[in-house]
Amino acid sequence: SQELEQSPQSLIVQEGKNLTINCTSSKTLYGLYWYKQKYGEGLIFLMMLQKGGEEKSHEKITAKLDEKKQQSSLHITASQPSHAGIYLCGARTSGTYKYIFGTGTRLKVLA
Amino acid sequence: SAVISQKPSRDICQRGTSLTIQCQVDSQVTMMFWYRQQPGQSLTLIATANQGSEATYESGFVIDKFPISRPNLTFSTLTVSNMSPEDSSIYLCSVVIYGVNTEAFFGQGTRLTVV
Repeated sequence: SQELEQSPQSLIVQEGKNLTINCTSSKTLYGLYWYKQKYGEGLIFLMMLQKGGEEKSHEKITAKLDEKKQQSSLHITASQPSHAGIYLCGARTSGTYKYIFGTGTRLKVLA
Repeated sequence: SAVISQKPSRDICQRGTSLTIQCQVDSQVTMMFWYRQQPGQSLTLIATANQGSEATYESGFVIDKFPISRPNLTFSTLTVSNMSPEDSSIYLCSVVIYGVNTEAFFGQGTRLTVV
């Protein structure tokens, strides 16, 4: 079955530092989605990538999908305490609207 | 987009009892799903809620344990039956609306603790 691996599993950074979270699949991704989850709460949609080589930005967060559509990265520039939470990558399984999710990256930003 | 109201937001239940979680969407949606997120884990799909028919369950999940209803296009319930401490998780309702983006929208989740 298709799986998504995220790295790192956890990350602690000083406020103002940049950071990158990676999401890798062994198979071609059929839509890659990034979500943020505050501890113990629901998921907030961040960005969706569909085309190989696509890159999207929103405020200080940039997400990229590689040309082969098997790896995505989420980059946060000048991190702030408000960026803290769990970042999850998700992908649609081929031909369906079911989602699989990565294991998540717990981000803590120190003020 | 879609706004999802999930109730209850949290509950503490005795083992052996059942809890029904409700998911209400503010617009007619194409597909509704139920996910489980065990402590420290990612999300796992439980089932697809089908309107007017039996839900489609993923491997490892059965109807007797997680009965699901979806009487119309905007509402679904998930029941966690005969609960044990292992059922302590966050349960999330998710919807998809066919369109340009087709991203999934999620409810705020129900944090269930079984004691």
